[in-house]
Amino acid sequence: GESVGLHLPTLSVQEGDNSIINCAYSNSASDYFIWYKQESGKGPQFIIDIRSNMDKRQGQRVTVLLNKTVKHLSLQIAATQPGDSAVYFCAENITPPGSARQLTFGSGTQLTVLP
Amino acid sequence: NAGVTQTPKFQVLKTGQSMTLQCAQDMNHNSMYWYRQDPGMGLRLIYYSASEGTTDKGEVPNGYNVSRLNKREFSLRLESAAPSQTSVYFCASSERDSSSYEQYFGPGTRLTVT
Repeated sequence: GESVGLHLPTLSVQEGDNSIINCAYSNSASDYFIWYKQESGKGPQFIIDIRSNMDKRQGQRVTVLLNKTVKHLSLQIAATQPGDSAVYFCAENITPPGSARQLTFGSGTQLTVLP
Repeated sequence: NAGVTQTPKFQVLKTGQSMTLQCAQDMNHNSMYWYRQDPGMGLRLIYYSASEGTTDKGEVPNGYNVSRLNKREFSLRLESAAPSQTSVYFCASSERDSSSYEQYFGPGTRLTVT
């Protein structure tokens, strides 16, 4: 899975299979997390978010799981499609008190969907 | 709505040249951000602006300056470009008082410094 500063991990899955992308975060006080998708040559796009008072949140074909005990986040994509091929980033809220909202981003995971 | 727009899309500079990257958003957001993205790495925050009239340094501000021209526009200036500033630059905006911390990103500017 990804973490800040590592080389970009890769994940290859067969079309139709489920994908699981992992992310480790460092700050046990982080209260908010986002997953972004970045297609080649484009800016990141919001997928789903989750607050630290939740363990799981579901969207359309995507589920985010949060394990605060081990500071781990995962994104599950059901029935992966060719259009899901992209780099996926997790981001956590690091906003200092009284400051503008700030996110810190992981290095990303390259998902490739095989035909 | 166009969302977040950035100009130019591509730029090649020689070492020592200067340039300004432009960013505008039409979502009436208070907060705006500039990031750089290098190969195999996540986004790193250069500067941000919590609201019109304020700017603050992020993680990697050296070699850059910013201007929050008005609520819509936030520009990034390289006064004397260096090869280490070769990167993809993204502008983002967010609503300060929203329950979501989502940031909306532009398409990026791909800058090469030779």
